[in-house]
Amino acid sequence: ETGVTQSPTHLIKTRGQQVTLRCSSQSGHNTVSWYQQALGQGPQFIFQYYREEENGRGNFPPRFSGLQFPNYSSELNVNALELDDSALYLCASSSQGASGANVLTFGAGSRLTVL
Amino acid sequence: AQSVSQHNHHVILSEAASLELGCNYSYGGTVNLFWYVQYPGQHLQLLLKYFSGDPLVKGIKGFEAEFIKSKFSFNLRKPSVQWSDTAEYFCAVNALLRGNKLVFGAGTILRVKS
Repeated sequence: ETGVTQSPTHLIKTRGQQVTLRCSSQSGHNTVSWYQQALGQGPQFIFQYYREEENGRGNFPPRFSGLQFPNYSSELNVNALELDDSALYLCASSSQGASGANVLTFGAGSRLTVL
Repeated sequence: AQSVSQHNHHVILSEAASLELGCNYSYGGTVNLFWYVQYPGQHLQLLLKYFSGDPLVKGIKGFEAEFIKSKFSFNLRKPSVQWSDTAEYFCAVNALLRGNKLVFGAGTILRVKS
């Protein structure tokens, strides 16, 4: 089975720009979650998508948005980038539905640097 | 708000030493508990999980963890570490009545000296 793949692996943006990060979920998984991992910290939950709809959101502003597609892949969009958005963005997929226990399979992440 | 505390940010051990990494969480309801590991240059991987039943759970590579509900703890243990256990370890909690998110601790970096 294929794992979770993310692209791009690294990217550099400047303040005010917009970025789109992409994620392909593991085969058989229908739920995608996005996490932000700043340097020296644990991952923080951004949001989760199930059946192409947002299904739970963490403490992130509206300029963080996402999409899930019919093939369960997903995008994370961040508008009006700020320096503090520099982090590793992790995508995780799971086969659970809108509720219930989550056993997440993580991708390698996209490292975003905002200058 | 839910929080997860990992007691040590850096741990250095010699091979064959015993390991215990502490994890405490702040939520009083029903929880699912996880330990994830990130080996150098690799992505986060599930080490073990607790959903219900026997509070002593066994994971991969000889790791185990004990859920003590009264102490809100889920400590990770291994009787004898190997150099290949060098990695960063994250405790994570899913509070079942508060949605599907995992709340992670800040992580513990373990270095095993050969």
